[in-house]
Amino acid sequence: AQKVTQAQTEISVVEKEDVTLDCVYETRDTTYYLFWYKQPPSGELVFLIRRNSFDEQNEISGRYSWNFQKSTSSFNFTITASQVVDSAVYFCALTGRRALTFGSGTRLQVQP
Amino acid sequence: EADIYQTPRYLVIGTGKKITLECSQTMGHDKMYWYQQDPGMELHLIHYSYGVNSTEKGDLSSESTVSRIRTEHFPLTLESARPSHTSQYLCASSLGASSYNEQFFGPGTRLTVL
Repeated sequence: AQKVTQAQTEISVVEKEDVTLDCVYETRDTTYYLFWYKQPPSGELVFLIRRNSFDEQNEISGRYSWNFQKSTSSFNFTITASQVVDSAVYFCALTGRRALTFGSGTRLQVQP
Repeated sequence: EADIYQTPRYLVIGTGKKITLECSQTMGHDKMYWYQQDPGMELHLIHYSYGVNSTEKGDLSSESTVSRIRTEHFPLTLESARPSHTSQYLCASSLGASSYNEQFFGPGTRLTVL
């Protein structure tokens, strides 16, 4: 069975701090994709990144970076120099047979 | 840029009413999905469709029904709304038949049943 665990329910940081959001997954598939989505207060889910199971290279996009480690089944997301606009709920997701399996989300609050 | 639309954005309705939540996408995507989400919580798949005239129930049991008569349109209907249906409903679509492609989400409909 597919499962995505985001153990951090809520994180609060002060602006300019770095913050890492954890994601651990379970799957029996040998080929799969992992995603991160951002859900701001407006409610819409915004796609951030997709990573396939064969590509373990870390990725950086501006202040965002992702660390994929297949050996520990983790796909962690780091925001460097956080900003108030980063405040949102962040979801990690895993491809399944029919649709994505989502984690329960991590609410990030960035205080000014 | 993704173009997927949901109406209404907010709906407050009394118990027993029939409602239809609209979802349309202009990207020609084959697969479409409906998720139910309590505020800030996990998303649960309630319906999905591989294409026209194809609909399947998702992981979470739902009293709602869906139809897919046109590629771009995937409405969700509740025949008799109840307070337990109060939630946010998110529509999404993805390209092709594979589940490996990213899903594009609409803005959601926040439903409150009194």
